[in-house]
Amino acid sequence: DAEITQSPRHKITETGRQVTLACHQTWNHNNMFWYRQDLGHGLRLIHYSYGVQDTNKGEVSDGYSVSRSNTEDLPLTLESAASSQTSVYFCASSADRGVKYFGPGTRLLVL
Amino acid sequence: AQSVTQLGSHVSVSEGALVLLRCNYSSSVPPYLFWYVQYPNQGLQLLLKYTSAATLVKGINGFEAEFKKSETSFHLTKPSAHMSDAAEYFCAVSDGNFGNEKLTFGTGTRLTIIP
Repeated sequence: DAEITQSPRHKITETGRQVTLACHQTWNHNNMFWYRQDLGHGLRLIHYSYGVQDTNKGEVSDGYSVSRSNTEDLPLTLESAASSQTSVYFCASSADRGVKYFGPGTRLLVL
Repeated sequence: AQSVTQLGSHVSVSEGALVLLRCNYSSSVPPYLFWYVQYPNQGLQLLLKYTSAATLVKGINGFEAEFKKSETSFHLTKPSAHMSDAAEYFCAVSDGNFGNEKLTFGTGTRLTIIP
């Protein structure tokens, strides 16, 4: 069965370190998205991609970057982790006008 | 720009009682509207979606929602709550333009079921 996976599921890091969160989908979807979930804010869009080599900034993109070298993967990089980036991160994918499928999430703690 | 407002960050209902979770949207174009559910320590799952077809949308687990353009609302209901419905529920809006699949989420409503 097709699926969307995220790794690691839990991560503890220190302020200033570079961190990369992986997202892999086997749906063959063109569209992939990264959200962060924080209490009182719901889910907020960080970056998204509509296809290979395409990346776009969402509403909370500062301090984050993504790259799309193939259809299946959209890794999210925190260039220099900050305590404000402690959050739960969700990856999602969809076909055009299709239902979004969400990964299980990565819980990140920045100390 | 689109937005959604979920009224009530916490809702408690007794088992067997009606569940009503409120969502109002703002959109400059005809919206696509969604309800997602998140169980503890899990990702989001789609409950139902409105994409300009029938205004009453039926979803999984006995949930349904009605699109009311005049009220800019898309409230989620279930006639009889079960203990397994305890979760967090998110309303979301998309402008539905081809190739523009960004969802804007509400802040969520945590549903508690009282035995």
